[in-house]
Order: sequence, then C-alpha cells, then structure tokens
Amino acid sequence: QQQVKQSPQSLIVQKGGISIINCAYENTAFDYFPWYQQFPGKGPALLIAIRPDVSEKKEGRFTISFNKSAKQFSLHIMDALPGDSATYFCAGRKASPKFYFGSGTKLNVKP
Amino acid sequence: DTGVSQNPRHKITKRGQNVTFRCDPISEHNRLYWYRQTLGQGPEFLTYFQNEAQLEKSRLLSDRFSAERPKGSFSTLEIQRTEQGDSAMYLCASSWPLQTTSTDTQYFGPGTRLTVL
Repeated sequence: QQQVKQSPQSLIVQKGGISIINCAYENTAFDYFPWYQQFPGKGPALLIAIRPDVSEKKEGRFTISFNKSAKQFSLHIMDALPGDSATYFCAGRKASPKFYFGSGTKLNVKP
Repeated sequence: DTGVSQNPRHKITKRGQNVTFRCDPISEHNRLYWYRQTLGQGPEFLTYFQNEAQLEKSRLLSDRFSAERPKGSFSTLEIQRTEQGDSAMYLCASSWPLQTTSTDTQYFGPGTRLTVL
C-alpha cells in the first residue's frame, strides 16, 4: 500500500506564479518529511525537509507547510521560474532510515 | 566531484542475463541505500547498509537480487536471470546519520537505467 500519497500528478504554472503540491501520509510514526527535486536523467536532489514538531519551514522561494493533525504537508514554490520545471517527490520516514516516496508531481513552468 | 556516483549509467541486456551495478557513495557516509524507480513513480526502497552490514531488505528484493558492500565503501547490486519487469532506474543514495538531529539526509546518485529486452 502507498504510505505517502501525492497530488496533483502534474502542474502547469506561469513564470512568477505559485505552485502548491500536496502530500498525505497514514503512518503517525513518520518523523521526517523531505521533498526532493528530480530533473530528467538525474537522481533526486534534496530540496527542503521538515520534522513534525514544526508547522512551517521556508528556504528561499520554497516553503513546507505541515499539518500534523490532518497528516498532510505541502510544498509551496513562490515566484516560479522555468528552471523549476522538474518532478517533485515528497517522502516520509519512520524509525528505519528508509524513505517512502510519493508518486511525484511533474511541474512545468511556462515562460 | 564528491557526490554519489553510479556505473554504468545505462545497461541494456537480454532477458535471462545477469547484470551488476556499482555505487560509490560520498566518502564519509556510512549508510548506503538502493532504490528502484519505474517510469512515473517515486523511488521504492530495496535495501540499505550501515558500513558493511546489510540491515534491511524490502520484499521487492527477490531471490534474484543480491547486494553487497564488502568493505563498507562501494556497493554492488546484482540481478540474476533478468526479467522484463526488472527494467527500471536503479538509484543509490548515501547518508551520514546525525545522532543529535536524526535527519539522516540521503544524497542520491544519477542512477543506472536498466532495459531488459
């Protein structure tokens, strides 16, 4: 069963717009939630991460919002740039160091 | 370049053949992970090592798959008697677990794309 569910599957935004990608998890044992960015032909690269004792984390144009009671978290990309066009994966981790990834969101930023 | 490296980057093989992939982690990292990624999906965990010890294996890792990390540095993933369903990107990641923060950030390599004909 998929432990982390991600939506939407794809997203198109204009340059300068805001992108929001949502994830939901079932297992309350998750203690770490990273977001990864992946370009075609490359491995995923860590973008930003959050722990469940924090409701929001911002790094530059990227913000994670975390709702522990709803078991949901989201990635907000502000002032989107064409270079942000990539696939974004959320993930969760339990006590074991392995990550459970969402199915990905393909973002296309139009110039 | 001090990132995670994987070789080969691409491998095309015929069904029934054996293949082996190599991963070189970031040098000071003691944890090494293998994931499999199929088209349009997120990476799925296969196995991980802490130093040379293989500590966890996914049920996805059938008897045809074996991974080793003999000296706690590089790792190999072997697939025996390949099947068309094995076609995927095989990703390696490494991490240096921080005891105090437990963030254990995983850094991924570029992957090996396997095509089984």
